[in-house]
Amino acid sequence: QQQVKQSPQSLIVQKGGISIINCAYENTAFDYFPWYQQFPGKGPALLIAIRPDVSEKKEGRFTISFNKSAKQFSLHIMDSQPGDSATYFCAASKAAGNKLTFGGGTRVLVKP
Amino acid sequence: GAGVSQSPSNKVTEKGKDVELRCDPISGHTALYWYRQSLGQGLEFLIYFQGNSAPDKSGLPSDRFSAERTGGSVSTLTIQRTQQEDSAVYLCASSSPGSDTQYFGPGTRLTVL
Repeated sequence: QQQVKQSPQSLIVQKGGISIINCAYENTAFDYFPWYQQFPGKGPALLIAIRPDVSEKKEGRFTISFNKSAKQFSLHIMDSQPGDSATYFCAASKAAGNKLTFGGGTRVLVKP
Repeated sequence: GAGVSQSPSNKVTEKGKDVELRCDPISGHTALYWYRQSLGQGLEFLIYFQGNSAPDKSGLPSDRFSAERTGGSVSTLTIQRTQQEDSAVYLCASSSPGSDTQYFGPGTRLTVL
């Protein structure tokens, strides 16, 4: 039973391009949706997060779009850089400080 | 400041042996989480400690897995009678009171031969 589905599994983008990763969730009790970035050999690190009362949140080159009615949210990485090459995970939880349910991850490769 | 630390960074054990994995959360963080990251299952929740409350053990895959948190700080995850399917990276995270953000450690890579 996969409560958070993430796509695509992998993504190759040219430097300067836009990376788009999509997630869909099933549990309407989820109310916190973070994105984590993970480099090889490291633990995941919070990139950006959103709550359902907001449809979009932008931090630098990273934007989350949220569609509550469709139960979907996405991460857009603008002006992708080789240093953005990493695995990205979407996640969801029912309340602040609660356990996270993760998507399957997307491996992003930015070609110079 | 210091982040979440985990030890050992790598552990190789034989099937049937017991292992203990340690997590030192960020000072002052009252919540502590254990997750497991494996190729087949992705990142999955194991157990969650919040202050003095009873832990949420709903993610533990079997009774071979247990965890404790001493003095509201350091936590140990114990796996008894390890099996090959236990091979994974075990990640610990902590968060401060009232915060959504979970800070992850580098993980312990467990290999069961």
